[in-house]
Amino acid sequence: DTEVTQTPKHLVMGMTNKKSLKCEQHMGHRAMYWYKQKAKKPPELMFVYSYEKLSINESVPSRFSPECPNSSLLNLHLHALQPEDSALYLCASSELAGRRNEQFFGPGTRLTVL
Amino acid sequence: GQQLNQSPQSMFIQEGEDVSMNCTSSSIFNTWLWYKQDPGEGPVLLIALYKAGELTSNGRLTAQFGITRKDSFLNISASIPSDVGIYFCAGKPVRDRGSTLGRLYFGRGTQLTVWP
Repeated sequence: DTEVTQTPKHLVMGMTNKKSLKCEQHMGHRAMYWYKQKAKKPPELMFVYSYEKLSINESVPSRFSPECPNSSLLNLHLHALQPEDSALYLCASSELAGRRNEQFFGPGTRLTVL
Repeated sequence: GQQLNQSPQSMFIQEGEDVSMNCTSSSIFNTWLWYKQDPGEGPVLLIALYKAGELTSNGRLTAQFGITRKDSFLNISASIPSDVGIYFCAGKPVRDRGSTLGRLYFGRGTQLTVWP
């Protein structure tokens, strides 16, 4: 099983809503990532978790709140988002966080903020 | 942060032609990865390279880790319509704290269009 799954596939939310994105992998990977991607641009790193601990937060606004409940799951809690937060949100995982570790991406959640 | 220069930005080719794209960095890298992304989907890893001079193939795709350790190349032979998509290079610089924590630097992508 070399798959990273993400739910939901699509999400439309208002600026006052609270929602969560979910990511799961069963490859035994110990590093998991959240990325944000705008159309025709490369993915931008948001957060890195290594051994279920947050190791990188790329100065992401507090309206995005990550959570790693266990080594297989990664959540991204969303609250009071802005229309400019509309994007494809990608989850990825790798065996470890350091060198020589390929990142495998999920299919993404297409988020639209109205 | 680290800048990766990926070229060309876009390519329009006829089915059956070969394709070449490359990525250069201003510093030495110890990891080069090549991904392909279809519209609305996540990037899919094509090839991973970890050693200067390394040449690795995946079907019709061949990628190389440049001997200067500051560049990488991806070639696609005999292109077919399903090769259409955006190709991203990505990598990790040597002696980069963020890379040891998991940060991956991306090129801006090469948009490939294949005409039948």
